[in-house]
Amino acid sequence: SQTIHQWPATLVQPVGSPLSLECTVEGTSNPNLYWYRQAAGRGLQLLFYSVGIGQISSEVPQNLSASRPQDRQFILSSKKLLLSDSGFYLCAWSSGSGYEQYFGPGTRLTVT
Amino acid sequence: AQSVSQHNHHVILSEAASLELGCNYSYGGTVNLFWYVQYPGQHLQLLLKYFSGDPLVKGIKGFEAEFIKSKFSFNLRKPSVQWSDTAEYFCAVNGGATNKLIFGTGTLLAVQP
Repeated sequence: SQTIHQWPATLVQPVGSPLSLECTVEGTSNPNLYWYRQAAGRGLQLLFYSVGIGQISSEVPQNLSASRPQDRQFILSSKKLLLSDSGFYLCAWSSGSGYEQYFGPGTRLTVT
Repeated sequence: AQSVSQHNHHVILSEAASLELGCNYSYGGTVNLFWYVQYPGQHLQLLLKYFSGDPLVKGIKGFEAEFIKSKFSFNLRKPSVQWSDTAEYFCAVNGGATNKLIFGTGTLLAVQP
């Protein structure tokens, strides 16, 4: 069966520090991968998605970037964190366009 | 652009009460529709989905949703809620077989024993 992992579960980082959040999927190949930010009362905002290695689509201009160095690995990064980057970050995968997405446990990021 | 509206932001019910959570979307073409649930401290998980066929969709834990194309709606229902249904519920739409799901802002359901 397929599983999705995210780490770390929680992270506290100072403003201006770099960020790297990792997401890996097991039990499937060539998944679509997604990064979301979830804010209370605002639902899920899609940040990036990827349909293959090295292929990244950005949904909103921001201080973050994403990379997909391997088929089942998706990384969310920042060179210098802002206070506004605080939030709950979710990774998800799907087997193709239009299909349901399956979510990881999320990372709670606090920028101080 | 596609959008999803969930009209109820916070719902409080007593056990055994009936539930209906509204979801409306804006997209004129073929859509795939989803309801997700997030129980306290748990992953976001799929509750049910509609791709085509019978517009009344059955999901897990006694939930169902009805797709009404003329109303651009996909409301979630359950005849009798339980305390364990306390969670946040999200409606999502994928239109035009794109790679993206558009989520509503969520409805927080609290069921009182």
